[in-house]
Amino acid sequence: DGGITQSPKYLFRKEGQNVTLSCEQNLNHDAMYWYRQDPGQGLRLIYYSQIVNDFQKGDIAEGYSVSREKKESFPLTVTSAQKNPTAFYLCASSILTGGRNTEAFFGQGTRLTVV
Amino acid sequence: AQSVTQLDSHVSVSEGTPVLLRCNYSSSYSPSLFWYVQHPNKGLQLLLKYTSAATLVKGINGFEAEFKKSETSFHLTKPSAHMSDAAEYFCVVSDRVRGNQFYFGTGTSLTVIP
Repeated sequence: DGGITQSPKYLFRKEGQNVTLSCEQNLNHDAMYWYRQDPGQGLRLIYYSQIVNDFQKGDIAEGYSVSREKKESFPLTVTSAQKNPTAFYLCASSILTGGRNTEAFFGQGTRLTVV
Repeated sequence: AQSVTQLDSHVSVSEGTPVLLRCNYSSSYSPSLFWYVQHPNKGLQLLLKYTSAATLVKGINGFEAEFKKSETSFHLTKPSAHMSDAAEYFCVVSDRVRGNQFYFGTGTSLTVIP
């Protein structure tokens, strides 16, 4: 089955540690995204990538880093510089048709808790 | 600038009554518009989308939405609510001017009363 897989589903981190969230897609989509979701704030864009080996900062990139070495994979690292990392993280991918986004496909999310 | 405004943060309806979730957008170019649904601790599922074809869009589970350019609105409706419709709903806009990114509203929480 085609789709987006995020792992792990739940993640606990001690303060001061870096942690990497996995996102893999087998939809052959060029574009991939990372969003952070906090209660009452909708989804906010952290980073996005429209092609392998290239990515851009979103609205809240500080304290995060990404890589896009393969089309299928877009891991997100939450660094110790991120002051409030406890949140629900969602990965998505999309394809452009005729210069327009068709839709975003989402993974099931990773809930990160800093302890 | 706010790209998407969901006018109600919470909506409560009785089972079997109509659902209306309101969304206004701002876009200087022909936008693509989407409604997604999210159940607790889950990812987002596409309900329906508008991408410059018919202005009345039908989606899954009996939902539909109408694109009204003059009102810059894309309200989500359903004739009869079901208990399983209780969830968080997000209105989303995407256009070429903003690099084809997806911009999300803050969400509307729908409660269905038995």
